[in-house]
Amino acid sequence: QVQLQESGPGLLKPSETLSLTCTVSGASITNYYWNWIRQPPGKGLEWIGSFYYSGTTDYNPSLKTRVTILVDTSKNQFSLRLTSVTAADTAVYFCARGDLMDFWGQGTLVTVSS
Amino acid sequence: EIVLTQSPGTLSLSPGERATLSCRASQSVGSRFLAWYQQKPGQSPRLLIYGASSRATGIPDRFSGSGSGTDFTLTVSRLEPEDFAVYYCQQYDRSPWTFGQGTKVDIK
Repeated sequence: QVQLQESGPGLLKPSETLSLTCTVSGASITNYYWNWIRQPPGKGLEWIGSFYYSGTTDYNPSLKTRVTILVDTSKNQFSLRLTSVTAADTAVYFCARGDLMDFWGQGTLVTVSS
Repeated sequence: EIVLTQSPGTLSLSPGERATLSCRASQSVGSRFLAWYQQKPGQSPRLLIYGASSRATGIPDRFSGSGSGTDFTLTVSRLEPEDFAVYYCQQYDRSPWTFGQGTKVDIK
């Protein structure tokens, strides 16, 4: 059974850096695409970026200057780094597997507030 | 960027009725790289349909998808109580991958 679990701080101040980790069990991150997606409270889904099993990454142009996805194959984890956060980055952050996103984590709420 | 527009925004139906949800793309979605997800409050999205018409593992056959190019449809043949939720379409043909804004199916 494939499982994904997001972890990281739930509260940030404006201008800080958001750092989240997705721990994967039941599948190897050296296969498939692995994604970060977010959902502001009461709103729709936004794709942030993907890590490809080949080692490349792809980011949403709307966030590209602030986003980095890193991978730790030894821990079967991948992480999200989003710099210079503002209140507009307040959202539930999900990690998910694959281009058709067949497995998702339960999501973690990140609030940006002074 | 491919923009996906879903309609209607809200669909009010009774259990047992048929639900028809639309997803229109601003550009042709090649090779039917179109998926549908269901999301209930406080939960993560669940994959229902991929490749425009293939049901994901464990999805009941009352859910069906159709369409190609720029027009896609999700149909729920007979709504069960657990089907009242928000539904999103997503294209994974061209980066950036994009989602529609969602259709809420609520109880009439």
